[in-house]
Order: sequence, then C-alpha cells, then structure tokens
Amino acid sequence: QSALTQPASVSGSPGQSITISCTGTSSDVGGYNYVSWYQQHPGKAPKLMIYDVSNRPSGVSNRFSGSKSGNTASLTISGLQAEDEADYYCSSYTSISTLYVFGTGTKVTVL
Amino acid sequence: EVQLVQSGAEVKKPGESLKISCKGSGYSFTSHWIGWVRQMPGKGPEWMGIIYPGDSDTRYSPSFQGQVTISADTSISTAHLQWSSLKASDSAIYFCGRKGRGEGFDYWGQGTLVTVSS
Repeated sequence: QSALTQPASVSGSPGQSITISCTGTSSDVGGYNYVSWYQQHPGKAPKLMIYDVSNRPSGVSNRFSGSKSGNTASLTISGLQAEDEADYYCSSYTSISTLYVFGTGTKVTVL
Repeated sequence: EVQLVQSGAEVKKPGESLKISCKGSGYSFTSHWIGWVRQMPGKGPEWMGIIYPGDSDTRYSPSFQGQVTISADTSISTAHLQWSSLKASDSAIYFCGRKGRGEGFDYWGQGTLVTVSS
C-alpha cells in the first residue's frame, strides 16, 4: 500500500491562507469519506485536526477546514499563525488492507 | 479526561523480545478502536494495525503482518504491541491512538521510543 501523495512543503505569511493537497486513488481517498488530517510538532504525538473529510473535533480552530474532490483531499489553513508551523499528514481508510494509510507529509512554514 | 499513557523508553538488542503498552483511562476502553503507529527517525508515521478491545478484532497493515502482535487486556484497559525478535530496523517511536467519532484518531499516547542496537 503506497502512501498518499502530499507536497513536501508549503509556506505562507501570517494571516494568509494555505492549502495542502493529499492525492490517493479510488481505493482510498476517492472511494470513502474517511480522510483525516493530523498536525505534528517535532517530537510530539499527532493531533487530529479534521476527520471524515471536513469535520473538526471540538477544540480545533475553525481556521482549519477540509474538503475532497475525486481522489484528492485538501486541508486549508486560513489566517495563518506562527503556531501553525508543523508537519501535516493526511490519512485515509483504504480498502486494500481494510486499514488506513498516511500521506507523505507536508512541512508548513510560516514566513 | 481521556488519556492514553504509554510505557517508557526501551533499549534492546537484536533478537530480543519486547512488549510495550498503552493504558487508556477516562472512557470506555472496550468501545473504541486503538491503533498503533510507527515513526522512524525523521520520517512520517505509518499505520501498523488496530484492535477493538471489545471483541479483540485486530487488523494489520500488510507491511507489519507477521512482524508484530497487537493485543488488548480489558481487565487493565491496556493495549499492547509486541515483537518476538527485534531487528535494528525496529528502532523508532511508537504511538498509540484512540479512534473517536468517525474515522479519526482523537487521543494519542505520548509515544514510546524503542532503540534496538547491539
């Protein structure tokens, strides 16, 4: 099972919006509304930011939003803040293993 | 308060066995899937497998099937990840997470660093 494809890095200035893509196949991203997004700071556990494509867990800022079109899911961070600087990983259910697969990861830099 | 607390760092030699743990509290342990993730130094996380403590239904990623064993002891609200014969390539941080609403894992343990070296 290959990892989902994400851009290696995305950057933006404070206050700007950025979007991270996550491309899979019809066996994972395209076939199910089971895409999650995780934020991870160095040496820390992943933090759930979005589940089931576009749902935000309680406590997560509404500056984070998710969407999907075909085999590509996206995470948008609006009003970028210094604290958003981290690695972001998408994850999707996959019918190939009836489990999950992570994306390759995107490093977000706040300029 | 929901918490997952993992066992401490381990240093082992190749060929040795190991069992690390993830203790859940603050919720019904038998009602939520627990997943295990490997993160090698400088790399992204990889799903290893998940277990439903309520009935011990366990699923493994193809890459980890046969390499590790995932189990759960509901009497102590603890999930385990074990190896029978460690390799140097098993050196990594291992995280456990709880599946919440939908398909997202909403609570995570602090991670267990496993170092395998001769």
